[in-house]
Amino acid sequence: GAGVSQSPRYKVAKRGQDVALRCDPISGHVSLFWYQQALGQGPEFLTYFQNEAQLDKSGLPSDRFFAERPEGSVSTLKIQRTQQEDSAVYLCASRSRSYEQYFGPGTRLTVT
Amino acid sequence: DAKTTQPNSMESNEEEPVHLPCNHSTISGTDYIHWYRQLPSQGPEYVIHGLTSNVNNRMASLAIAEDRKSSTLILHRATLRDAAVYYCILRSLYNQGGKLIFGQGTELSVKP
Repeated sequence: GAGVSQSPRYKVAKRGQDVALRCDPISGHVSLFWYQQALGQGPEFLTYFQNEAQLDKSGLPSDRFFAERPEGSVSTLKIQRTQQEDSAVYLCASRSRSYEQYFGPGTRLTVT
Repeated sequence: DAKTTQPNSMESNEEEPVHLPCNHSTISGTDYIHWYRQLPSQGPEYVIHGLTSNVNNRMASLAIAEDRKSSTLILHRATLRDAAVYYCILRSLYNQGGKLIFGQGTELSVKP
């Protein structure tokens, strides 16, 4: 079956622009996660949804970061007024009932 | 979630077994041990997880020490495709969402 997909795969934004990153989880997976991965580092947790409810947003680095999942399937991570330190790979994962997380390929964001 | 310690890097030869160690001396009785790997330019991939007993699946085996303060991921016959960063992660039973806290991982290189 289809895995987790993310779009776009690459995004270049000028500093100060807003960006929106999309995640399509595996069909039927209730739980969805966003992670941020800086170059050479392990992924860092950003936020977690169960269906449409955002249950944990403790990892969002600032109020410029906003995530939504209005119908409990597709999710969007929005970054307002991008800064150079936002340059990273943004990973989305959905989780099975047995707690295995399935990751998408990521969106590489470069802020110039 | 408790912390894990892994070597930064390891080398192996193709078609030989690989033993990837992980120390987790502060593990609690309700912490699951998860392993993920990340191939170059891809999102992390679930490998295996366990609680107390050793576990086997089609990808690998997980050997858990009797005192649970360490574990070893075993790849029975390394292939070039197994070159990746391997992450050992503890997930608390009480972490209902199942978010993952990644460390630096072990970068495995496989020589032909």
